[in-house]
Amino acid sequence: DSGVTQTPKHLITATGQRVTLRCSPRSGDLSVYWYQQSLDQGLQFLIQYYNGEERAKGNILERFSAQQFPDLHSELNLSSLELGDSALYFCASSASSGADTQYFGPGTRLTVL
Amino acid sequence: GQSLEQPSEVTAVEGAIVQINCTYQTSGFYGLSWYQQHDGGAPTFLSYNALDGLEETGRFSSFLSRSDSYGYLLLQELQMKDSASYFCAVRDNYGQNFVFGPGTRLSVLP
Repeated sequence: DSGVTQTPKHLITATGQRVTLRCSPRSGDLSVYWYQQSLDQGLQFLIQYYNGEERAKGNILERFSAQQFPDLHSELNLSSLELGDSALYFCASSASSGADTQYFGPGTRLTVL
Repeated sequence: GQSLEQPSEVTAVEGAIVQINCTYQTSGFYGLSWYQQHDGGAPTFLSYNALDGLEETGRFSSFLSRSDSYGYLLLQELQMKDSASYFCAVRDNYGQNFVFGPGTRLSVLP
């Protein structure tokens, strides 16, 4: 158990819908990272927040957005969902902004029908 | 841009030693990390190299050569539970992007 929690574990929705994925980092960690993992794209970095501020941005679509709240939990919002958005979404946390040791949560499996 | 290359699959027997290579092309290299992921599970951190040389952690070791843009993960005394996918990863673009390799699927046979 990494100490990172994610909810929900599974999510099934329809194209065009909007969903919110939630992540709570390990106690004391200030950085949260979001990743998308699909069979054909591998593990893709989406975005990083550090202590409430956006710190780094990867291949995140404009339809996707994230935020980190004062209690350090984070939410990833996915809107106008497409079939291709079906994937595993992982959240990870680390103690600092540049840490190369990231602790991953169990993931949320999103299925878009 | 940035890219990492790893072999797609490696097979070995219990008790053997296996090396998983990773070559990278990045801008603003900070260091090379390795993660293990079992089927259906989350990636777990194994090791990190910022400087050239070998880092040893139990049965696992990781090596980095910055001049060659190359690293490897060495797994010794293989066990069945080591069957998993292994990813190398770098922090690139002057810290603005985290890039994972495509992963190497290791199968350990009895």
